[in-house]
Amino acid sequence: AQTIHQWPVAEIKAVGSPLSLGCTIKGKSSPNLYWYWQATGGTLQQLFYSITVGQVESVVQLNLSASRPKDDQFILSTEKLLLSHSGFYLCAWSLGEYEQYFGPGTRLTVL
Amino acid sequence: GDSVTQTEGQVALSEEDFLTIHCNYSASGYPTLFWYVQYPGEGPQLLFRASRDKEKGSSRGFEATYDKGTTSFHLRKASVQESDSAVYYCALSLASSSFSKLVFGQGTSLSVVP
Repeated sequence: AQTIHQWPVAEIKAVGSPLSLGCTIKGKSSPNLYWYWQATGGTLQQLFYSITVGQVESVVQLNLSASRPKDDQFILSTEKLLLSHSGFYLCAWSLGEYEQYFGPGTRLTVL
Repeated sequence: GDSVTQTEGQVALSEEDFLTIHCNYSASGYPTLFWYVQYPGEGPQLLFRASRDKEKGSSRGFEATYDKGTTSFHLRKASVQESDSAVYYCALSLASSSFSKLVFGQGTSLSVVP
């Protein structure tokens, strides 16, 4: 069975500090991968998607970047955090254009 | 652009009440429609999907019917339980490429009291 793991579970960071969030998918070969951001009490906003290793497309500009160094790994990062980056970050996978399956999420608090 | 509208932001019910959460969509093509449920502190879980007009999706006692004529996909459950308390999201996806681009509604927070 496929599993999706996100790390860390939660982060508290200072404004201006760097950030790196990770996501690993096991049990699926060559999935499409996605990053979402969710403000507290808000809806889900797709940030990035990746169809294959080394290729990442941006959907929304939030001063964040993403990379896919391996088939089963997706990384979200920034060199300088803003207060507005606070929220819940979710990684998801899909096979082709069908439904997406979400990970447990990472709670980020920027102070 | 493509969009999903959920009319109710919050719904408060008692156990065994009937639930309806309204979802209307606007899309340039023929979308696939989804319902997701999100419990506090967790990622959304797929409830079910529907891809064709008049197709009914169902899971865990929840159901919704794709209605192309009224561009709707309303979620219903005959008898809710306290454990159904969560946030419900309607979403659409247009399969215009090899990846999935989900557009989510604003979500409906359901609170069920015993």
